[in-house]
Amino acid sequence: DAGVTQSPTHLIKTRGQHVTLRCSPISGHKSVSWYQQVLGQGPQFIFQYYEKEERGRGNFPDRFSARQFPNYSSELNVNALLLGDSALYLCASSDYRGRSGNTIYFGEGSWLTVV
Amino acid sequence: AQSVTQLGSHVSVSEGALVLLRCNYSSSVPPYLFWYVQYPNQGLQLLLKYTTGATLVKGINGFEAEFKKSETSFHLTKPSAHMSDAAEYFCAVMRNQGGKLIFGQGTELSVKP
Repeated sequence: DAGVTQSPTHLIKTRGQHVTLRCSPISGHKSVSWYQQVLGQGPQFIFQYYEKEERGRGNFPDRFSARQFPNYSSELNVNALLLGDSALYLCASSDYRGRSGNTIYFGEGSWLTVV
Repeated sequence: AQSVTQLGSHVSVSEGALVLLRCNYSSSVPPYLFWYVQYPNQGLQLLLKYTTGATLVKGINGFEAEFKKSETSFHLTKPSAHMSDAAEYFCAVMRNQGGKLIFGQGTELSVKP
């Protein structure tokens, strides 16, 4: 079975531009989360979606937004890119089902470089 | 607020030696605890997790961790290090089922031949 898939794997953007990152969860998983990992640090929580609704949001500016589609795939959008947005963006899917399940599986990530 | 502290940003062991990576957490309620491994230029792979029940948890690749509530610790161990164990290791805590993960800063493990 396919794991969590993310695209693109690498991309370079210019300051001020917009970026969209995509994620497909493990088949059967309805919860998707996004994390930002800056070089040399642990991942930081950005968003969580469950059943297409936002369930949690980390301490990130409004330039960051996300959504989940009916097939449970997800997009992370970042507007007005700053140099500090350069990071590995990780998507994770979970077997959470409202009252049970807590195993979170990560994709390989999307490397974003802002120049 | 929950937090995770990994003692030692870098640990170096010889091949065949014991691996011990330390993790302490702060939480007002018993949390769910995880260890992930990250190889260079890759995503995170789940090593093991503690939810409820037995406090000694066995994971993949010969790793195990013990939940000690009295010490608020969840240290990761492996009896004999292998060269392929060289990677970054992250301890993480989750307060509620389905909630967000809070990660430590990571510990880089080096294995010397």
